[in-house]
Formats: sequence, structure tokens, C-alpha cells
Amino acid sequence: KQEVTQIPAALSVPEGENLVLNCSFTDSAIYNLQWFRQDPGKGLTSLLLIQSSQREQTSGRLNASLDKSSGRSTLYIAASQPGDSATYLCAVVSSGNTPLVFGKGTRLSVIA
Amino acid sequence: DAGITQSPRHKVTETGTPVTLRCHQTENHRYMYWYRQDPGHGLRLIHYSYGVKDTDKGEVSDGYSVSRSKTEDFLLTLESATSSQTSVYFCAISESGRVETQYFGPGTRLLVL
Repeated sequence: KQEVTQIPAALSVPEGENLVLNCSFTDSAIYNLQWFRQDPGKGLTSLLLIQSSQREQTSGRLNASLDKSSGRSTLYIAASQPGDSATYLCAVVSSGNTPLVFGKGTRLSVIA
Repeated sequence: DAGITQSPRHKVTETGTPVTLRCHQTENHRYMYWYRQDPGHGLRLIHYSYGVKDTDKGEVSDGYSVSRSKTEDFLLTLESATSSQTSVYFCAISESGRVETQYFGPGTRLLVL
């Protein structure tokens, strides 16, 4: 059974700092990995989708990498801003029938 | 933003009563999903649909049923609500299943007293 872990559970950084969020998964046989953002009381917003054949994806100040063999992904946020404060969730699609398995998220606070 | 609405957005009900949550999409996507989100557990899949009248169970399907009679609507029913079903429920859609991004609705907060 696929398990997804995100460390740390919470992170607080000063504005302008570059930061890395970590995601690990137990079964390397995945179709893709996705990073989502969730603001308090809101639904999830897709940030980046990395297919299993890809190593990384970039969108603006965000860069996500994927290392299937080690079961790890990182989300790099450059020049963090207070507006980046949210919970970031990692999810994987495995080769079995389960469409998405989520980690519990990292709650990020960027302090002005 | 993907056109996904959920109704109601908030609901308080009593143990033992039936509850139906509705998800409506305007994107004509084939796949629709119901998740619940709980502190300490994260998001967990309840049921999903891969077409009209085609549904399958997820990780936490006990106590829930679903129906999809039209492409745009996916209903989640709690036949007899229990306090353990107090949660935030999210609907999601995707165009072609597991290789594509999922788009999420705003959520329904359900409190079972």
C-alpha cells in the first residue's frame, strides 16, 4: 500500500527566504506526483504535476523535482512571500487502482 | 478555475439521519471523486466515478454510497450519519483519470451531532 509522508509538518520562515518542502513515498511504481496548495477553509489548487518520466517541473518561483528510485520529491519555493503562506500537499498516483494518495501536508508560514 | 460547485457548503445534522452532498461540474470531465479531509489523516478517497453510472470504492467507503446519473453531477450519500463522519468533504474532477491533474471544489463542512 502506497504511503506518502511530508516533513516537516509545519515550517515558518522570514520573507525572502528560499525554502524546500519534502515529500517521500514508499512505492516507486508511480504514474505521477502532484503538488497542491490549500489555503485555510478552501479547496486544493494544483501547483505542479510531474509525470513519472520527468525529473522536474517549474512554474514561476516554484520548482518541483522527482526522484522515483529514492521515492522522493521536493518543492522549492524561491524568494518566499507572505502570500505563499498555506498548506502544501503532495500526492502520488500509483500503478494500482487508487487514483491519488495524499501526504498530510506541510503548513508554511512566511513572516513579513 | 475549474467549474466545480458543492452543495451545501455547510451542514449540521443529527446522528442517524440521511445526508446527501452534491457535486456539480461544468467542465464535462469524465472522472469525479469524493474525498474527506480530517486532522491527522489528511485527504482520503471515499468513492470515485469514471463515467455515468460507473463508480468504484476508495479507501474509506464504508457508510457512504454514491450515484452519478449525469456527467455533471456526483452525489455522495450518508445513509445514516454518524459522528465519525463529521469532516470536510471535497469533490474533485479530472479529464482522463490518473495521469491528469485533479481540480477540487470548495468543500462541504459537515457536522454530525
